[in-house]
Amino acid sequence: QVQLVESGGGVVLPGRSLRLSCAASAFSFSNYGMHWVRQAPGKGLEWLAVIAYDGSIAYYADSVKGRFTVSRDNSKNTLYLQMNSLRAEDTAVYYCGKESGYCGAGGCVPYFSYLDYWGQGALVSVSS
Amino acid sequence: EIVMTQSPATLSVSPGERATLSCWASQSVSSNLAWYQQRPGQVPSLLINDASTRATGVPARFSGSGSGTEFTLTISSLQSEDFAVYYCQHYHNWPHTFGQGTKLEI
Repeated sequence: QVQLVESGGGVVLPGRSLRLSCAASAFSFSNYGMHWVRQAPGKGLEWLAVIAYDGSIAYYADSVKGRFTVSRDNSKNTLYLQMNSLRAEDTAVYYCGKESGYCGAGGCVPYFSYLDYWGQGALVSVSS
Repeated sequence: EIVMTQSPATLSVSPGERATLSCWASQSVSSNLAWYQQRPGQVPSLLINDASTRATGVPARFSGSGSGTEFTLTISSLQSEDFAVYYCQHYHNWPHTFGQGTKLEI
């Protein structure tokens, strides 16, 4: 059974940094793109970032571009989200998600795909 | 950026009734649209992908339709466990934006 387990959440002061991790298991992590999505308290889902299966490409939402960095270590089956210059409005539950499309030597099929598995989420609270 | 708009924000229905939720894209996303269900206090889960394909294990009372800019999620006969928030998301290009959600309440 595919598992995604986030960790690293907590309470942090405004302007500080935090790194989230997402440990993946029961699938070939290095063959799938991975995403981060967040949900502020009582609000809807906000897509944040994606990283290609091999880490070669990353794309960000405007709301976090320049402050957040997504990365991955395929040897450790782990996805990361480095969050810098945190603001109160970054307070949310952060989810990692696995893309459904398989990526191999010939590329990804399909190139864009939906999220078929989500982690349980990590709560980040930015407060003084 | 493609903007996804869902309607209504809240839909009040009774168990056993039919519910119809709508999602619009600001430009064509072809059939690259997914629906997710989020029950209270739970993680979102995939319901429908490619606009009309039910995910594994999703009951047949859930159906998706549409393409281009207009999409619909229909729940034919509401069960108690279906009262949740439903989100649409496109995956046509980056960013993969979500709609703001429709809360289905009793």
